[in-house]
Amino acid sequence: AAGVIQSPRHLIKEKRETATLKCYPIPRHDTVYWYQQGPGQDPQFLISFYEKMQSDKGSIPDRFSAQQFSDYHSELNMSSLELGDSALYFCASSLGQGPEAKNIQYFGAGTRLSVL
Amino acid sequence: GESVGLHLPTLSVQEGDNSIINCAYSNSASDYFIWYKQESGKGPQFIIDIRSNMDKRQGQRVTVLLNKTVKHLSLQIAATQPGDSAVYFCAETQGGKLIFGQGTELSVKP
Repeated sequence: AAGVIQSPRHLIKEKRETATLKCYPIPRHDTVYWYQQGPGQDPQFLISFYEKMQSDKGSIPDRFSAQQFSDYHSELNMSSLELGDSALYFCASSLGQGPEAKNIQYFGAGTRLSVL
Repeated sequence: GESVGLHLPTLSVQEGDNSIINCAYSNSASDYFIWYKQESGKGPQFIIDIRSNMDKRQGQRVTVLLNKTVKHLSLQIAATQPGDSAVYFCAETQGGKLIFGQGTELSVKP
């Protein structure tokens, strides 16, 4: 079965550079979520989109932005990168907006971003 | 602030034994509590959820218990197997957001 696809898997950037992370949800899933996970930390919710509109916002820095496109894929744009942005970035998708649907999120394998 | 957290950061069990992973939460308004499993190098994987008006829910080899009086959530894994080795996170939903707690690393000894 198709899963959530994230690209790239690894990304190395320098401070003050920009990065773009991509996420392709499971086919027919209409909701995409972005999380940031630091080393040894729990995933922190950043932002989510439902039907191409932002649905919820978490602890996403102003330097970051995201959007969901007409084919439901999503991109997380990160500017003025800082050392502290080094982390695993996960994308997840789900189908529908009901509470139980949101509980069951399917995660991708993540993008490991290293800022040097 | 509101948070979900775990009592024990690590748990080591013998293969075949039962495992119990605990979690304390502070937000009484959450509708659902969920357990996720994260294997090394992978994203979290949904295990089981429980609605806040329930106190027990069973899945395949897993049982989640919810005690709202003391704001405590636990995940019981029966007959733990090497493949169960992973970090386990409890989480709660607030609106459309999953709020994860600190993970517990489960290590299964053969």
